[in-house]
Amino acid sequence: EAQVTQNPRYLITVTGKKLTVTCSQNMNHEYMSWYRQDPGLGLRQIYYSMNVEVTDKGDVPEGYKVSRKEKRNFPLILESPSPNQTSLYFCASSLKGGTVSYEQYFGPGTRLTVT
Amino acid sequence: KQEVTQIPAALSVPEGENLVLNCSFTDSAIYNLQWFRQDPGKGLTSLLLIQSSQREQTSGRLNASLDKSSGRSTLYIAASQPGDSATYLCAVSSLSGTYKYIFGTGTRLKVLA
Repeated sequence: EAQVTQNPRYLITVTGKKLTVTCSQNMNHEYMSWYRQDPGLGLRQIYYSMNVEVTDKGDVPEGYKVSRKEKRNFPLILESPSPNQTSLYFCASSLKGGTVSYEQYFGPGTRLTVT
Repeated sequence: KQEVTQIPAALSVPEGENLVLNCSFTDSAIYNLQWFRQDPGKGLTSLLLIQSSQREQTSGRLNASLDKSSGRSTLYIAASQPGDSATYLCAVSSLSGTYKYIFGTGTRLKVLA
């Protein structure tokens, strides 16, 4: 089954304790992206990657890191989480478009609480 | 900077009604526009993707239109059903940042049986 998976689905942590949220897709998609969703603010893009070893900032990259060492994986790293990073996080992937663009497929989300 | 707005924020309709959801954007130089559905506590499901060169896309009871010059897209849902109850989100990808996506805050739809 074609899908985007995220782990963990739920995470409660404390301020300053490094954490990684994993994202994996089995559709051989070049493009992958991370979003956070907050009430009243909608989804905002954190980072995206157009292919292996190619990443770029979205609208809200502060406090986050990403890496793309393999095509299927795109982990989101919070080196020193803070309470304002409490949010619902989504990973997405798609084929990389040129003159034609492709739809994004989303993972189930990771609900992160930082106390 | 691209801004995406969805009005209304919430909508309740009786079952069987045809309805229109609106999405407006400030920068008409877009690469594509995508409509999603989000059920409570779940991820996003892609409904329709409209390329910048297209005017509309259809899938079953759903029809999405795009008018770049006026910065608007509409999602038309025919013969609404209680199972259509969800939050509907639109997202645009601007030409200036082809792989950056800006989302609207969504319209929460409730279809009453």
